[in-house]
Amino acid sequence: QQQVKQSPQSLIVQKGGISIINCAYENTAFDYFPWYQQFPGKGPALLIAIRPDVSEKKEGRFTISFNKSAKQFSLHIMDSQPGDSATYFCAVNNFNKFYFGSGTKLNVKP
Amino acid sequence: ETGVTQSPTHLIKTRGQQVTLRCSSQSGHNTVSWYQQALGQGPQFIFQYYREEENGRGNFPPRFSGLQFPNYSSELNVNALELDDSALYLCASSTGTRNEKLFFGSGTQLSVL
Repeated sequence: QQQVKQSPQSLIVQKGGISIINCAYENTAFDYFPWYQQFPGKGPALLIAIRPDVSEKKEGRFTISFNKSAKQFSLHIMDSQPGDSATYFCAVNNFNKFYFGSGTKLNVKP
Repeated sequence: ETGVTQSPTHLIKTRGQQVTLRCSSQSGHNTVSWYQQALGQGPQFIFQYYREEENGRGNFPPRFSGLQFPNYSSELNVNALELDDSALYLCASSTGTRNEKLFFGSGTQLSVL
């Protein structure tokens, strides 16, 4: 059973545009919701994370929106740049286990 | 501060063989987790080691086993390799059992023929 569902599978955005990636989960025991960025040949790197007691967190061009009642959270990348082209994974955490989404491959066109 | 390092970077094995993958955790981190990432998929949790003890396991059979050493480095062992074991194996280090901030290595790409 997939613990977190991520969409879309791939995304093409023009430079300067907004990239939006969505995730949904079922288990209300999850209490930490990170986003990871992965470049080819590299391991995932933590981008930004949120806890369920806040509805939004912003770090630079990256924002997480969190809807606890809907059990959904999303990553917004403002002013998307070609260097943002990578695969993005959402994850949910319960104590010592992370469950990752299936990933979104983002391509930012110059 | 050194990051997480994994060895080897690539490995080719045949079905039925055994393999050992190695990981050196980031300086100051006492927890190591292992993940399997199949092509085009997100990482899947295999297990976690905290202070040399297994501290949680995902849905993987017993032929996946591990060790953590006093210096917090770790090994992942896989016996009786199957074709479906072909994947990128990622090691992540963190501090404490809550391990909310995972620092991943670049992984070992295992191909089973």
